Amino acid sequence: NAGVMQNPRHLVRRRGQEARLRCSPMKGHSHVYWYRQLPEEGLKFMVYLQKENIIDESGMPKERFSAEFPKEGPSILRIQQVVRGDSAAYFCASSPPQGIAKNIQYFGAGTRLSVL
Amino acid sequence: GENVEQHPSTLSVQEGDSAVIKCTYSDSASNYFPWYKQELGKGPQLIIDIRSNVGEKKDQRIAVTLNKTAKHFSLHITETQPEDSAVYFCAARVSYNTDKLIFGTGTRLQVFP
Repeated sequence: NAGVMQNPRHLVRRRGQEARLRCSPMKGHSHVYWYRQLPEEGLKFMVYLQKENIIDESGMPKERFSAEFPKEGPSILRIQQVVRGDSAAYFCASSPPQGIAKNIQYFGAGTRLSVL
Repeated sequence: GENVEQHPSTLSVQEGDSAVIKCTYSDSASNYFPWYKQELGKGPQLIIDIRSNVGEKKDQRIAVTLNKTAKHFSLHITETQPEDSAVYFCAARVSYNTDKLIFGTGTRLQVFP
């Protein structure tokens, strides 16, 4: 009964490289959310996905960032041409598809991205 | 726009004392208010939540109260223990077409033995 799994836990990239962050939701969960946390700050919503659909990407930067949640496999947050300002902890959360528990978001341990 | 304010940013208490953290939300359509505890290097862990049709909820040493009129909600921890030391975040969910959570800026709670 694994929780939300994120990998890698730590990722180091040089400026201009690509970063790929993976998130496997809890078993039976079909909703995935990505949040970004800068040091000493709260979590900021980025994107909300269901299987094969982006539901709300109002928190995603317009350039260089993209997210997907394919029918098979984990959700991927992709950052192209990373810059130092992308350094942060990226958290994924998942929730069940329906019922009263649908509101509850369970978080993974995060991926800490460092851009050199 | 949607906003959640959280106070205080840091809180130090003696073991056994109570701790209270307060949040205010801006969007009156918000209908779900979770509280998360985050320990160093870990992801947020849900500790308690409350929905807009309820005024108070308790779970052992933890309680949450909600005042919809004032758009305030608070976390109360009684009989604090050193293991309660962590950063606590409040959040609000806006009900229309998205389930995104808007988080407060966090409260660093330190419980001294």
